[in-house]
Amino acid sequence: AQSVAQPEDQVNVAEGNPLTVKCTYSVSGNPYLFWYVQYPNRGLQFLLKYITGDNLVKGSYGFEAEFNKSQTSFHLKKPSALVSDSALYFCAVILDYGQNFVFGPGTRLSVLP
Amino acid sequence: DVKVTQSSRYLVKRTGEKVFLECVQDMDHENMFWYRQDPGLGLRLIYFSYDVKMKEKGDIPEGYSVSREKKERFSLILESASTNQTSMYLCASTPTGTGRFLAKNIQYFGAGTRLSVL
Repeated sequence: AQSVAQPEDQVNVAEGNPLTVKCTYSVSGNPYLFWYVQYPNRGLQFLLKYITGDNLVKGSYGFEAEFNKSQTSFHLKKPSALVSDSALYFCAVILDYGQNFVFGPGTRLSVLP
Repeated sequence: DVKVTQSSRYLVKRTGEKVFLECVQDMDHENMFWYRQDPGLGLRLIYFSYDVKMKEKGDIPEGYSVSREKKERFSLILESASTNQTSMYLCASTPTGTGRFLAKNIQYFGAGTRLSVL
């Protein structure tokens, strides 16, 4: 069965510093990986996805993520955090032939001014 | 822009009531989904639908049913609401395709309905 882990419930970072939100996955097959962000009282918004090709994927709002097959990870990164990046971040996986997405538990990012 | 609209942002219901949560998308998407979101558990799939009148159970279908009579509308029904169904409910849709095509597609989410069952 597919599963997604986000080992940190909460990540705190100072504005201007780099941020990393971690995601590891477990699948039996080729994964497609996604990051979504949820701002307060809003639905989830797509940030970026890895399907195939270059392991470094760039997405919205300056975010990027690196697919690491050997470590089964897909960590979300940003070189310089903004206070407005404070939100709940979800990693999700689906198999290349799959039907259903599996979401991680979420990581709350707080960027402190 | 794709728009997924959930009819209510907040609902308060009594135990045993029948509850309807409505979701409408305006981009002619074939695929629609209902999730519930709980702290520490992320999103869990309740039901999904690949076409009108078609439905498939997700990971936690117990206590729920769905209806898809029109392509743009996907309803979640709590036949007899219970306190353990207090949660945030999220609707999503994706463009056409199944299997590999579906896997590549982005899910578009509504703003959510926060349901409290007293």
